[in-house]
Amino acid sequence: NAGVTQTPKFRILKIGQSMTLQCTQDMNHNYMYWYRQDPGMGLKLIYYSVGAGITDKGEVPNGYNVSRSTTEDFPLRLELAAPSQTSVYFCASSPMSYEQYFGPGTRLTVT
Amino acid sequence: GENVEQHPSTLSVQEGDSAVIKCTYSDSASNYFPWYKQELGKGPQLIIDIRSNVGEKKDQRIAVTLNKTAKHFSLHITETQPEDSAVYFCAASKSPGGYNKLIFGAGTRLAVHP
Repeated sequence: NAGVTQTPKFRILKIGQSMTLQCTQDMNHNYMYWYRQDPGMGLKLIYYSVGAGITDKGEVPNGYNVSRSTTEDFPLRLELAAPSQTSVYFCASSPMSYEQYFGPGTRLTVT
Repeated sequence: GENVEQHPSTLSVQEGDSAVIKCTYSDSASNYFPWYKQELGKGPQLIIDIRSNVGEKKDQRIAVTLNKTAKHFSLHITETQPEDSAVYFCAASKSPGGYNKLIFGAGTRLAVHP
């Protein structure tokens, strides 16, 4: 199993541009999550999904959108990028049990 | 909502010494407390977790203790090795609805010196 994969690894955006961060898992997990990690801070939940077609907001959803059309994929959309969205983004998935498995992250810079 | 505080923010130890990281949480309904290790350039990886029905859990050189009355839990690493150097995060969750929304602490950067 590849586990949780994320693309791209790095990206630089200009203010006002849009992009989609991709996340795929091959473990058949129902639950998937998007976090952001700012320097020196813990991870904060942006959005999560409990299954295909079902998504909900986390702690910091403003400026982001998600969709979940399949069990495997959970893309995160940034519309009108702002410098405050400069961060490292992690996708995670979990089965019915508690453990969350994290991807390697996407480092995004908005200038 | 839940708030998790983690101390210290940095910790430096000599190889072979023990390291202790402490977290406190605010929501008494929290019942799941994982610890994650994050190596440079990688995503966090679960190293140990504890649920509220136990007070202590061990896995080789790693142990976690939970004090529900005081609402704090700690990570203990014994016989530290250079490969233990990483950032460690604690988290807490109430696990509503069969899934869990983790609230993370700010992290502890552990450096183990040979």
